[in-house]
Amino acid sequence: DGGITQSPKYLFRKEGQNVTLSCEQNLNHDAMYWYRQDPGQGLRLIYYSQIVNDFQKGDIAEGYSVSREKKESFPLTVTSAQKNPTAFYLCASSIGVGLAYEQYFGPGTRLTVT
Amino acid sequence: GQQLNQSPQSMFIQEGEDVSMNCTSSSIFNTWLWYKQDPGEGPVLLIALYKAGELTSNGRLTAQFGITRKDSFLNISASIPSDVGIYFCAGPSRGSQGNLIFGKGTKLSVKP
Repeated sequence: DGGITQSPKYLFRKEGQNVTLSCEQNLNHDAMYWYRQDPGQGLRLIYYSQIVNDFQKGDIAEGYSVSREKKESFPLTVTSAQKNPTAFYLCASSIGVGLAYEQYFGPGTRLTVT
Repeated sequence: GQQLNQSPQSMFIQEGEDVSMNCTSSSIFNTWLWYKQDPGEGPVLLIALYKAGELTSNGRLTAQFGITRKDSFLNISASIPSDVGIYFCAGPSRGSQGNLIFGKGTKLSVKP
């Protein structure tokens, strides 16, 4: 059953700690994305990766880091430098840049930092 | 910068009613996507439009790519309770090939 998985669903951390959110896909998609969603807001792009071992900053990359060592995986680290990390984080994937704009989303991780 | 404006921001539906919402942009788009998000879940792709004037259906949902290429419309016929949620439009980001920008969504709720 193909899809995108994100874990955990809920994550709680103390201020000042780094935390890594997992995203895995078995759709054989080349491109992967991380978005942040705040209440009443649309989705804002944090980072994206068009191919393994390459990634680019999105609109709100400050305080976040990513890696893309495998095609299937695109973990996001929320660092202590992120001023307001509490949010709903969504991972997505697509076939590849230039092939289609259709992005498919995982179920999301809700991060709460206190 | 690029922005997608969705209207209305929120609306209440009664079972059986038809629902209409739209998305407008100040710039021309060559692709429009419509997503639905249930509370606490990721958005689900409903319809993708790639051609001006195109009308595409997915069950009770019908979306249209406006002929000006600056707007798109989503209609839901004979709404049912499970239609509640947030509907987002999305289009290609001018700055980054392959990336999308999203509207802020239209929230559908059930009439009290």
